[in-house]
Amino acid sequence: EAGVAQSPRYKIIEKRQSVAFWCNPISGHATLYWYQQILGQGPKLLIQFQNNGVVDDSQLPKDRFSAERLKGVDSTLKIQPAKLEDSAVYLCASSLTAGTSGRYEQYFGPGTRLTVT
Amino acid sequence: TQLLEQSPQFLSIQEGENLTVYCNSSSVFSSLQWYRQEPGEGPVLLVTVVTGGEVKKLKRLTFQFGDARKDSSLHITAAQPGDTGLYLCAGATDSNYQLIWGAGTKLIIKP
Repeated sequence: EAGVAQSPRYKIIEKRQSVAFWCNPISGHATLYWYQQILGQGPKLLIQFQNNGVVDDSQLPKDRFSAERLKGVDSTLKIQPAKLEDSAVYLCASSLTAGTSGRYEQYFGPGTRLTVT
Repeated sequence: TQLLEQSPQFLSIQEGENLTVYCNSSSVFSSLQWYRQEPGEGPVLLVTVVTGGEVKKLKRLTFQFGDARKDSSLHITAAQPGDTGLYLCAGATDSNYQLIWGAGTKLIIKP
C-alpha cells in the first residue's frame, strides 16, 4: 500500500514570495491534516479536512495561508506572502474516518522543509 | 486547553542502557499513540494503546497506558543506535478526530 506522498521535499524562498505544497493521502483515507513542525517540537495542526470539507482551520493564519482539497483526494497548502517565521517542516497526514474505537491513527508523509530567507 | 507533557525533552545514553520516556496530561484520552520521527522524515506510528492499564510490547519497546488513561510511558530495553530519533506521544479525544501532541523527546543512543 502506497504511503502519503508530498512534494516538494525541500523549498527555499525569499520572504514575501509565495510557495505551494502538495499532498496525496493514502487511498481511501477520508481525513487529511496539514501540520507545521518547528525543529525539535511536536506537530502543530494547521487545517483538517474531512473529504473535501474543512473540519478545523482555527490555527491556520488565514491572512497568508490557504488550503484546499478538491475532489476529496489531493490537497495543496499555499503561503502567500511568506515570512521568516514560516520556516519549518510542513507535514501532511491522513487517516481513516469515523474514529472507530477512538483510535484516530494518522499516517504521515515525509514532509516539506521550507526555508524562508 | 488539553496538553500533553513529555519528559525528558532530551536524552543521550550509551548503547545497551535502558530508558523510560513519559507522557503526562490532566486530561483523559480515548487512546494514546506513540510515534518515532527520524531526521528528514515524517512521524511513524509505533503503537496505539486504548485500554487503561494496557501494556504493549514491540520488540525491545514496552508501552503502557495509565489506569486513568491520562498518562503513558515508553520503556526501551538495551537501547541501540537505531533507536535514535524524536519520540512523540499523541492523545486522541472523541471530538473532531484530532490528536493532542506532546513536544517530543529527542533520544540519542551513542555506540
